[in-house]
Amino acid sequence: KAGVTQTPRYLIKTRGQQVTLSCSPISGHRSVSWYQQTPGQGLQFLFEYFSETQRNKGNFPGRFSGRQFSNSRSEMNVSTLELGDSALYLCASSLAGPGAEAFFGQGTRLTVV
Amino acid sequence: GDSVTQMEGPVTLSEEAFLTINCTYTATGYPSLFWYVQYPGEGLQLLLKATKADDKGSNKGFEATYRKETTSFHLEKGSVQVSDSAVYFCALSIGGSNYKLTFGKGTLLTVNP
Repeated sequence: KAGVTQTPRYLIKTRGQQVTLSCSPISGHRSVSWYQQTPGQGLQFLFEYFSETQRNKGNFPGRFSGRQFSNSRSEMNVSTLELGDSALYLCASSLAGPGAEAFFGQGTRLTVV
Repeated sequence: GDSVTQMEGPVTLSEEAFLTINCTYTATGYPSLFWYVQYPGEGLQLLLKATKADDKGSNKGFEATYRKETTSFHLEKGSVQVSDSAVYFCALSIGGSNYKLTFGKGTLLTVNP
């Protein structure tokens, strides 16, 4: 079956702009999580959605937001971009629950100039 | 809060050498433990997991045992190959309705022929 699909793969934006990233989970997976990966901070949890509801949120400013649609597809939005937002943004889908495996997409590489 | 500490890299080995990457954790509840691998330009792939104490996860010659008494989940492989060169992440998740992975900083492994 198809894996987790993230679009676009690469983005270049200017400081102050906003950006929307998209994630299509594996069919049947209702939990979608987002992570930011940077060389300095490593992998940090942004938020998790299940059945269109945000269930868990990491320690990021309000400029980072997300949503999930009825078909489980998810988007994340970053407003008023800063240079420090340059990162690889990874989406993961899972069946959730204890010990559940998270399946990751290839990520969206965002560069803010 | 929950945290994962893994040995800093980079680790450089010759082909057929023995590999150990140390991982210890701190968790508020009873975690499930994972090792993920990231190849250059790719997202994360689950390598192995263990969901309770004394469980041994194994895959592709890699092994790790869930040690509750030492809060550890060290990754081992008896004979590494050049194709094992990648970044390895130790992670945990706490069971419940919310799904969130907490990752270590990652260890870069380079295997030379």
